[in-house]
Amino acid sequence: QSALTQPASVSGSPGQSITISCTGTSSDVGSYNLVSWYQQHPGKAPKLMIYEGSKRPSGVSNRFSGSKSGNTASLTISGLQAEDEADYYCCSYAGSSTHAVFGGGTQLTVL
Amino acid sequence: EVQLVQSGAEVKKPGESLKISCKGSGYSFTSYWIGWVRQMPGKGLEWMGIIYPGDSDTRYSPSFQGQVTISADKSISTAYLQWSSLKASDTAMYYCVRHLFTDGYYFDYWGQGTLVTVSS
Repeated sequence: QSALTQPASVSGSPGQSITISCTGTSSDVGSYNLVSWYQQHPGKAPKLMIYEGSKRPSGVSNRFSGSKSGNTASLTISGLQAEDEADYYCCSYAGSSTHAVFGGGTQLTVL
Repeated sequence: EVQLVQSGAEVKKPGESLKISCKGSGYSFTSYWIGWVRQMPGKGLEWMGIIYPGDSDTRYSPSFQGQVTISADKSISTAYLQWSSLKASDTAMYYCVRHLFTDGYYFDYWGQGTLVTVSS
């Protein structure tokens, strides 16, 4: 059981938008604006897509955006492309004892 | 260019010891935390712990405290993850990450991963 809850899978057609949710608690997502999102293609290392809730690293497409409301963070991908098909993981800081907690991951399928 | 290059895949027997490495380049190794993340076969990501190579300050996830040891040799810009007695359940891919900690909290660069297989 992962500390953060994500849907196991989501899907969308090319050009559409999808949103992946990441639900935590008041001890992690709700307490800190320190949620990050990672994309992982099969057999590859994860890649940082969003940090501090809504910031994009240099080189990441502006089709990726992040937000937070209460204990739930969200990753939205607009204008879906075939290359977006991957697993996505959220991660939140959870205080000095636990440090980081991940979501279980969401498999995105581009139909 | 920032790079984290990890040591190669390992096959070990239960009870054996192991130390895997992660060499950083392209940035000031002593100025950033290095973390380790586990991914068991077909499963998600788990945060194991971090080290600040500048002073060897180390933090562990409660789930991994006492199970592994994280260390670093700043003279050769290399961090390590080690086990004293492997178990079959340690079979996983292990990633090192450059870990932003005091200025944000995220992992901006990842190593390529080291696959550890523990089997009798």
